[in-house]
Amino acid sequence: KAGVTQTPRYLIKTRGQQVTLSCSPISGHRSVSWYQQTPGQGLQFLFEYFSETQRNKGNFPGRFSGRQFSNSRSEMNVSTLELGDSALYLCASSLWGGDGDTQYFGPGTRLTVL
Amino acid sequence: DQQVKQNSPSLSVQEGRISILNCDYTNSMFDYFLWYKKYPAEGPTFLISISSIKDKNEDGRFTVFLNKSAKHLSLHIVPSQPGDSAVYFCAAQGGSEKLVFGKGMKLTVNP
Repeated sequence: KAGVTQTPRYLIKTRGQQVTLSCSPISGHRSVSWYQQTPGQGLQFLFEYFSETQRNKGNFPGRFSGRQFSNSRSEMNVSTLELGDSALYLCASSLWGGDGDTQYFGPGTRLTVL
Repeated sequence: DQQVKQNSPSLSVQEGRISILNCDYTNSMFDYFLWYKKYPAEGPTFLISISSIKDKNEDGRFTVFLNKSAKHLSLHIVPSQPGDSAVYFCAAQGGSEKLVFGKGMKLTVNP
């Protein structure tokens, strides 16, 4: 079974621009979660989508948004980029996203904001 | 405030010996705990998990122990191999919390 895939793997943007990242979950997985990893803050939860609905949201500003499509693929958008948004963005999928359901991660998208 | 803590940033062990990675948590609502391994420029790879109804779970060379009263879990790797060298993350979920990660610990296994 193919794993979680994320595109693109690397991105360079400038401050003020916006960016869209894509994630394809493992076949059959309906829950997709997004995380931001930075050296200072570690891995932090952004949001989770299930059946095209945002089910949970972490403590990030409204510039961070996402959506999920009927095939469970998900996109994450960051508007008005700031230097501090430079990070590794990770997508994880799981069957239903509930307690006891293991999340499997993609390779991540490395975003650099100049 | 950090809900999941990995207090040691790094650990170095000899090949063939045991590696013990520790993790503490503060939220008593956490009921599912996981360990992930991560190489640079890659996403975390799931290693092993444990539910709060158990105190031990084994998978090959990896064993996770959970002490609920102490809010502590540990990952034992026996025997350690050079390929185990990576950053290990402890994570927990439960209550209203989605997956909460520790800051990670870098394990180096020397040949």
